[in-house]
Amino acid sequence: GAGVSQTPSNKVTEKGKYVELRCDPISGHTALYWYRQSLGQGPEFLIYFQGTGAADDSGLPNDRFFAVRPEGSVSTLKIQRTERGDSAVYLCASSLTGSSGGTEQFFGPGTRLTVL
Amino acid sequence: GENVEQHPSTLSVQEGDSAVIKCTYSDSASNYFPWYKQELGKRPQLIIDIRSNVGEKKDQRIAVTLNKTAKHFSLHITETQPEDSAVYFCAAYGTNAGKSTFGDGTTLTVKP
Repeated sequence: GAGVSQTPSNKVTEKGKYVELRCDPISGHTALYWYRQSLGQGPEFLIYFQGTGAADDSGLPNDRFFAVRPEGSVSTLKIQRTERGDSAVYLCASSLTGSSGGTEQFFGPGTRLTVL
Repeated sequence: GENVEQHPSTLSVQEGDSAVIKCTYSDSASNYFPWYKQELGKRPQLIIDIRSNVGEKKDQRIAVTLNKTAKHFSLHITETQPEDSAVYFCAAYGTNAGKSTFGDGTTLTVKP
């Protein structure tokens, strides 16, 4: 079946603009995760959804970042007033459940965001 | 919060040799420890994982060991092949199963 998909694959924007990044998880996966990966570093946790609700958003850097998952499937990461420091690859992952003890996460290909 | 340190940052081995990558974590409540392989420009892919109630797990040429007392876990790759060349990341998940902390990665190069 289809894996996790993310659109767009690349996004170039100007400082101060608003961007939306989309994630389509694997069908039936109730848990969805957003990460940010800068060059030479590991993925940095941003937010985790269990169903429609954000179970943990403690990784969001500040209030310019917001994510939604209104129907418990597709998720959108929204970044307002983008800054050059927001440039990174944004990864989405999904897992069958978010149960305690961890379950395998399947990553999408990422969206490379460049803020000029 | 959780802190994960990964060593070494780069590792070069000859084909057929073994490779070992180590991670330490700070939160004793962490209970799930996956390892991911990421090839250049590709997405991370899970290669093996271990839970806190297990000390060792093996899958063909790959094994992971966990020492809860010392709060460290290691990835062991035996009989390395050139296609094992990639960046490897460890991660630790706490009692909130969704939140994870990743190491900074190890670039493994296997020379033919």
